[in-house]
Amino acid sequence: LAKTTQPISMDSYEGQEVNITCSHNNIATNDYITWYQQFPSQGPRFIIQGYKTKVTNEVASLFIPADRKSSTLSLPRVSLSDTAVYYCLVGRLLNTDKLIFGTGTRLQVFP
Amino acid sequence: DVKVTQSSRYLVKRTGEKVFLECVQDMDHENMFWYRQDPGLGLRLIYFSYDVKMKEKGDIPEGYSVSREKKERFSLILESASTNQTSMYLCASSLGSGAAQETQYFGPGTRLLVL
Repeated sequence: LAKTTQPISMDSYEGQEVNITCSHNNIATNDYITWYQQFPSQGPRFIIQGYKTKVTNEVASLFIPADRKSSTLSLPRVSLSDTAVYYCLVGRLLNTDKLIFGTGTRLQVFP
Repeated sequence: DVKVTQSSRYLVKRTGEKVFLECVQDMDHENMFWYRQDPGLGLRLIYFSYDVKMKEKGDIPEGYSVSREKKERFSLILESASTNQTSMYLCASSLGSGAAQETQYFGPGTRLLVL
């Protein structure tokens, strides 16, 4: 069971880079690491996904070390609109043991 | 863009009522999911379906049932609503390719209050 552990909350200021780390010591060989973002009163939204090393898209970067026991979501130059809850998931769908969103990390961005 | 819609954003029901929450996706996805989200508990899976008329229990199925008569529609049913079912309910869908990297697409959620 690839349980994940994330900080409960983080604060930042506009323009700063934010790094949120997720621990997943029991990650399985075939597991991918997926991050979702959730704004208040909305459903979670897919941000980024990776298997190893580094992945970058227009929104974020995802860093995964060689042992894959953790991952770091990096948000460059955050703005107020990045205030949200960020969830790290490890595993694959249709294996209900692994469909664990947890409580996520609440990021608050200040002006 | 995948669109997942839920029939209501807000619902108020009385204890003992039968409640139907409807979810529709427009991208021909095979898989559909129902979660509930409560403060401090994150998202918890209630039921999911990987095909029409197929369903699997999630982590907290007690007090709920589901129906999937058509591919695009997945209904969550509270047979006899109770106050501890007051929550935010989220529907999601995914392609159903079976690939390890498959992701879910969520609806906006239905906030249910049971009095």
